[in-house]
Amino acid sequence: QVQLQESGPGLVRPSGTLSLTCAVSGGSFGRSKWWTWVRQSPEKGLEWIGEIYESGTTNYNPSLKSRVTISIDKSRIQFSLRVSSVTAADTAVYYCARFDSTGVGFDSWGQGTLVTVSS
Amino acid sequence: DIQMTQSPSSLSASVGDRVTITCRASQDISNYLAWFQQKPGKAPKSLIYAASTLQSGVPSKFSGSGSGTDFTLTINTLQPEDFATYYCQQYNNYPYTFGQGTKLEIK
Repeated sequence: QVQLQESGPGLVRPSGTLSLTCAVSGGSFGRSKWWTWVRQSPEKGLEWIGEIYESGTTNYNPSLKSRVTISIDKSRIQFSLRVSSVTAADTAVYYCARFDSTGVGFDSWGQGTLVTVSS
Repeated sequence: DIQMTQSPSSLSASVGDRVTITCRASQDISNYLAWFQQKPGKAPKSLIYAASTLQSGVPSKFSGSGSGTDFTLTINTLQPEDFATYYCQQYNNYPYTFGQGTKLEIK
């Protein structure tokens, strides 16, 4: 069973860049798997941020696309999220997850990490 | 974006009850619908995918149905561990979107 673990700073200054990494263990990047970031806040609920395939192909939520970059490091078996020009509205619990495009959907989630945007 | 609307937003029930939660999509999503359970401080847990298929390890007390725009999640014989918040999510169109959640509370 694959396990996912988020890591990164819990506090980011306004106008700064949020950076998180998701380490994948118990598995590897493979076919039909999209590696995803989702966030959750009381104001917006669960929000899909975007995803990346092992080839590097990405899909982003249009509402965040101008500020978001998702990248993958196959040698370290991890993928990362960067959100630039953050504001208080980006304060949320950030989850990494695996999406199986064969139809199974989201089948593995990290535990989540709280990121607070504040000066 | 496809809007996912769940009803009710909250629900009180007793141990042993059967409950049904509804999810409506703003446009046809075929059967690309998932259900999640979330407990406080925890990540969402996938229960059902493709509208009606149980994820591995999920007990058969959970069942899902529907296609197109209208979907339901039914939980039979509620146990204390079932009281949580439930979310639907569509993965037919980008961006994938979630319902606002249904909080299931003990009566």
